[in-house]
Amino acid sequence: EVQLVESGGGLVQPGGSLRLSCAASGFTFSSYSMNWVRQAPGKGLEWVSYISSSSSTIYYADSVKGRFTISRDNAKNSLYLQMNSLRAEDTAVYYCARDLTMVQGVPFDYWGQGTLVTVSS
Amino acid sequence: EIVMTQSPATLSVSPGERATLSCRASQSVSSNLAWYQQKPGQAPRLLIYGASTRATGIPARFSGSGSGTEFTLTISSLQSEDFAVYYCQQYNNWPRWTFGQGTKVEIK
Repeated sequence: EVQLVESGGGLVQPGGSLRLSCAASGFTFSSYSMNWVRQAPGKGLEWVSYISSSSSTIYYADSVKGRFTISRDNAKNSLYLQMNSLRAEDTAVYYCARDLTMVQGVPFDYWGQGTLVTVSS
Repeated sequence: EIVMTQSPATLSVSPGERATLSCRASQSVSSNLAWYQQKPGQAPRLLIYGASTRATGIPARFSGSGSGTEFTLTISSLQSEDFAVYYCQQYNNWPRWTFGQGTKVEIK
């Protein structure tokens, strides 16, 4: 059974940093590209970042470019999101999500349960 | 950026009735369109991709249609577990995936 479990969320002050983790199991993690998607309270979904299976290709939404860094450790079946210079508008539930197939440009078939990040003083 | 617009914002439907949800793209996304279902406190679940292909384990009462800029998700006979928020997502403009704002399907 495919499982994605996020952790690392919490309350942080504006300008602060936080590192999210996503532990994957039930599939060959090293074969799939992964994503982070967020959802502000009561709002819709916003794609945040993408990393290819080998980490050779990385993309960010304009809203987080230069502040967030995505990475992965295939030996540990883990995905990460380092978030720096956090702003109030980064407050959201952050989901890790797997690409549907090993082909580029596909939707997301498995999602974690999410971890809440709250940026507030 | 491709803007996805869903309508209506809220759809009130009685159990057993048919529900039709719309999604419009600001420019053509070909058939690179997915639908997700999200229940309160849960992660989104992939229902449809390629505009009309059901994801693994999705019941046949869910169907998708359309191409280009106009898409439809139809739930043929609403069950109690189908009351949720539904999002469309374009993945044609990769890697700039964008989602619609959602349609809430509520019990009438």
